[in-house]
Amino acid sequence: EAGVVQSPRYKIIEKKQPVAFWCNPISGHNTLYWYLQNLGQGPELLIRYENEEAVDDSQLPKDRFSAERLKGVDSTLKIQPAELGDSAVYLCASSLDPGQQVTDTQYFGPGTRLTVL
Amino acid sequence: GQNIDQPTEMTATEGAIVQINCTYQTSGFNGLFWYQQHAGEAPTFLSYNVLDGLEEKGRFSSFLSRSKGYSYLLLKELQMKDSASYLCAVRVDSGGYQKVTFGTGTKLQVIP
Repeated sequence: EAGVVQSPRYKIIEKKQPVAFWCNPISGHNTLYWYLQNLGQGPELLIRYENEEAVDDSQLPKDRFSAERLKGVDSTLKIQPAELGDSAVYLCASSLDPGQQVTDTQYFGPGTRLTVL
Repeated sequence: GQNIDQPTEMTATEGAIVQINCTYQTSGFNGLFWYQQHAGEAPTFLSYNVLDGLEEKGRFSSFLSRSKGYSYLLLKELQMKDSASYLCAVRVDSGGYQKVTFGTGTKLQVIP
């Protein structure tokens, strides 16, 4: 079974430029998460989707960040414009519908390492 | 919000046993996860506890005490490949859905 797929793996841009990350979750997983992880820190949730609906975007900096999950499968996270402080690893994770099982174990993709110069 | 504490770094010897602790303060607690993350890679699921007690899975075991807000991950017969960060994550019931918050992780170095 294929895992969570993310692209690109690495991205280097100059500040004020836009950037987009793509995620394809595990087949059948209704819940999709975008996390930001700084070096030496744990993942911090940016946004969580249940199918097409964003059920928790309280930590998403909406002035510059946006996300979408059309058709409830793939998702895209965008930053526009990027700032120096946005340099981090952006992780995507997916899980089965929590209502269908006891544990909503999250499975992570390899992440996109963003460097803003 | 959730307050999750783990040691920042630990060092242990190959073949030995190491215990990584995690304490948390939260309301609506509904489970605790442990993840392993090798440098430059994604976190991978290790264990899940929701009831008090010990869950054993091969060389790895995880313990939970809900009343104390405390968990530990026990790694036995350490191998060099166990050098990684170990993330404690707490799940809470938040306004009708389950929310998971990660700790900052414990970087474990296994030495020969």
